[in-house]
Amino acid sequence: GQNIDQPTEMTATEGAIVQINCTYQTSGFNGLFWYQQHAGEAPTFLSYNVLDGLEEKGRFSSFLSRSKGYSYLLLKELQMKDSASYLCAVIDSNYQLIWGAGTKLIIKP
Amino acid sequence: NAGVMQNPRHLVRRRGQEARLRCSPMKGHSHVYWYRQLPEEGLKFMVYLQKENIIDESGMPKERFSAEFPKEGPSILRIQQVVRGDSAAYFCASSPPGRTNTGELFFGEGSRLTVL
Repeated sequence: GQNIDQPTEMTATEGAIVQINCTYQTSGFNGLFWYQQHAGEAPTFLSYNVLDGLEEKGRFSSFLSRSKGYSYLLLKELQMKDSASYLCAVIDSNYQLIWGAGTKLIIKP
Repeated sequence: NAGVMQNPRHLVRRRGQEARLRCSPMKGHSHVYWYRQLPEEGLKFMVYLQKENIIDESGMPKERFSAEFPKEGPSILRIQQVVRGDSAAYFCASSPPGRTNTGELFFGEGSRLTVL
């Protein structure tokens, strides 16, 4: 079966750094997305990785290791507005997006 | 450039009634995806459509659910004879021509269905 695993919830302090991990077992791999979803709102795109390595975009970075079936999203200089769910999604060999259940990130002052 | 538009944002139905959810993709986008999200759960793929064609409906329940994307007008997700388990947020996303591996999806704000 296809499976995306992420921690259910994480807590971090404003100004700190947090790493959200995602492991996947899918039938084939054609890329991995990270999306941010605030409560009651639509998911919004954060990053896309298809090659191994780190992609940096401002305060957010995303890392991929295809051999390990592993990705992480790194958030630096955390702000209160970063409190949201972070969704990991993988494109399988049929070009279908398989979604993780999301990681709820709670930021404390 | 307007984003993905979904309506209604909130819909309340009694068991046995029909629910119709509408989605207008972003201008220039010809691919529409419908997802269902239960509370505290991830997005579950339902169906992928292009104009007048259902490309992939592997996530659609076999009964009561149908989707269309006509040549003119929005995509519609139709749920007949709703049951309490259908209560969820239904998100529509669109993408430009080409496969999703070449770009991200743009999501609408979602339609929240409550079945009493």
